[in-house]
Amino acid sequence: QVQLQESGPGLVKPSETLPLTCTVSGDSITNYYWSWIRQSPGKGLEWVGHIIYNGNTYYNPSLMSRVTMLLDTSKNQFSLKLSSVTAADTAVYYCARMRSTWYHYDYWGQGTLVTVSS
Amino acid sequence: EIVLTQSPGTLSLYPGERATLSCRASQGVSGSYLAWYQQKPGQAPRLLIYGASKRATGIPDRFSGSGSGTDFTLTISRLEPEDFAVYYCQQFGSSPVTFGHGTRLEIK
Repeated sequence: QVQLQESGPGLVKPSETLPLTCTVSGDSITNYYWSWIRQSPGKGLEWVGHIIYNGNTYYNPSLMSRVTMLLDTSKNQFSLKLSSVTAADTAVYYCARMRSTWYHYDYWGQGTLVTVSS
Repeated sequence: EIVLTQSPGTLSLYPGERATLSCRASQGVSGSYLAWYQQKPGQAPRLLIYGASKRATGIPDRFSGSGSGTDFTLTISRLEPEDFAVYYCQQFGSSPVTFGHGTRLEIK
């Protein structure tokens, strides 16, 4: 059974960098597309970006200047760094697996709430 | 980017009724790379439909998807109490990945 688990700080100060890690179990990270998706309180879903098995990255144009994603195949993890955060970045952050056939998300982490506040 | 418009915003129905949810794209979704998700409070979204019409593993057959191009529909043939939730459509026919704003399905 594939499982994804997000980890990282629940509170980040404005202007600092938000770091999150997703640990994947039950399958190798060297397949599929691995995404970060966020959901602001009471709002809809926003794609942050994804990293694919060869390390190539694709980011939401609205966040591109602040996002970095990396793959760590030795730990079966992938990570997100979002720099220069503001209150608008407060959200539940989900990691999810995208199938490269039909491009849908079949497995999601439970999500982690990150609050940006001083 | 492709904007997905979901309607209605809120749908109020009784258990046992049929629900029809719409997702309209601002331009054609190539390959019918359109998926539907269900989200309940405090939970991650759950995949229901992919490829516009293919049911995901373990999804009851009362859920069905249809459509192509710019117009897609999720139908729940006979609502069960556990079906009342928020539903999102998502596309990756072209980058970036986008989601609709959701339809809230509530008990009447």
